Amino acid sequence: ETGVTQSPTHLIKTRGQQVTLRCSSQSGHNTVSWYQQALGQGPQFIFQYYREEENGRGNFPPRFSGLQFPNYSSELNVNALELDDSALYLCASSLVAGVGAYNSPLHFGNGTRLTVT
Amino acid sequence: LAKTTQPISMDSYEGQEVNITCSHNNIATNDYITWYQQFPSQGPRFIIQGYKTKVTNEVASLFIPADRKSSTLSLPRVSLSDTAVYYCLLLDSSYKLIFGSGTRLLVRP
Repeated sequence: ETGVTQSPTHLIKTRGQQVTLRCSSQSGHNTVSWYQQALGQGPQFIFQYYREEENGRGNFPPRFSGLQFPNYSSELNVNALELDDSALYLCASSLVAGVGAYNSPLHFGNGTRLTVT
Repeated sequence: LAKTTQPISMDSYEGQEVNITCSHNNIATNDYITWYQQFPSQGPRFIIQGYKTKVTNEVASLFIPADRKSSTLSLPRVSLSDTAVYYCLLLDSSYKLIFGSGTRLLVRP
């Protein structure tokens, strides 16, 4: 069983640039969610995708967007980077029964550390 | 938006039982409460999940009272390797996933 993998592990960007982070879900999982974790803080829910559609979103602006592909891999895109976007970005996959189902345990990758200078 | 409260840190010794409580309001009425463990430079790892009353697995127990306004993670006989940050995760009434602020557990020899 292949776990959740994220790439790259580390990234440095300049304010105003755009970034794409990638996630490969655990085999058999149909849902992916993304989280932002600032240093010393708990993860903050960005959004969740089920069957390639966004079906839940936290309090993040539209410049945070995502995609889920038919093979259940996923991307997180952040436009117009700001210094406060510096954080660990975590991806998690799960197997859920349907839209709006959140009960399944999340399987996390080890994250991408993004630094914005 | 749901608000969660966890102790910032806890100290324990090897072999002791540790109980970590997460208090929360505005929780979704029909969703589970889940607890995760996180080590430095790693993603959180699932520990246990429950809806109400008590759930037990091979590593922990979870107690949830009838009003579901809190949950308590119980780690029996902790070891040094249990030193980590522990988070509760729940779905609030507006269907946003909310992590608690985390409890940093230090287990001493």
